[in-house]
Amino acid sequence: EDKVVQSPLSLVVHEGDTVTLNCSYEVTNFRSLLWYKQEKKAPTFLFMLTSSGIEKKSGRLSSILDKKELSSILNITATQTGDSAIYLCAVARGSGGSNYKLTFGKGTLLTVNP
Amino acid sequence: DAGITQSPRHKVTETGTPVTLRCHQTENHRYMYWYRQDPGHGLRLIHYSYGVKDTDKGEVSDGYSVSRSKTEDFLLTLESATSSQTSVYFCAISPPGSSSVRYFGPGTRLTVT
Repeated sequence: EDKVVQSPLSLVVHEGDTVTLNCSYEVTNFRSLLWYKQEKKAPTFLFMLTSSGIEKKSGRLSSILDKKELSSILNITATQTGDSAIYLCAVARGSGGSNYKLTFGKGTLLTVNP
Repeated sequence: DAGITQSPRHKVTETGTPVTLRCHQTENHRYMYWYRQDPGHGLRLIHYSYGVKDTDKGEVSDGYSVSRSKTEDFLLTLESATSSQTSVYFCAISPPGSSSVRYFGPGTRLTVT
């Protein structure tokens, strides 16, 4: 059975802090790992990682995949109150030409206090 | 924002009644998905569609059926709603060339009493 585990489950920081969120997985036929941000509504896509060691960046957010360790981290630097959200990790599996099914972790609830 | 709408956005229904949730997209994407989100479980795939009249089961498909008669519409039906189906339901799509879900609809909060 595919498994995606995120840690910590929740985290409280102050504005300006840097945070690191973790995602580990056990998935057959790994295809890619995805990160989403969910505020009080639908998840929004952040990153998709397929290659190990390649960092993806978007502003203050960055993520990297370690296929040897079957894990990924999501870093947020200089946090702001608007970063408060649930961060979801998901892993896609599937072979070439087929739809890639996602298995989601339970998420990390990040609270950024002013 | 990707053009995905869901209806209704909120619904309260009684155990044993049929319920249909609608997802509508304006993006003409081939792949559409229904997920449910519950505390302690995260997002779980119910059913997905890879084209008109082409659907398949996800990991929690028992008690649900789907239909897709047009590219833009994907319907989720609870034939006889149970309290365990109280949840938030999200529709999602994958754009062409993408291997995975990129855009989610706004969600439908369903309460079965």
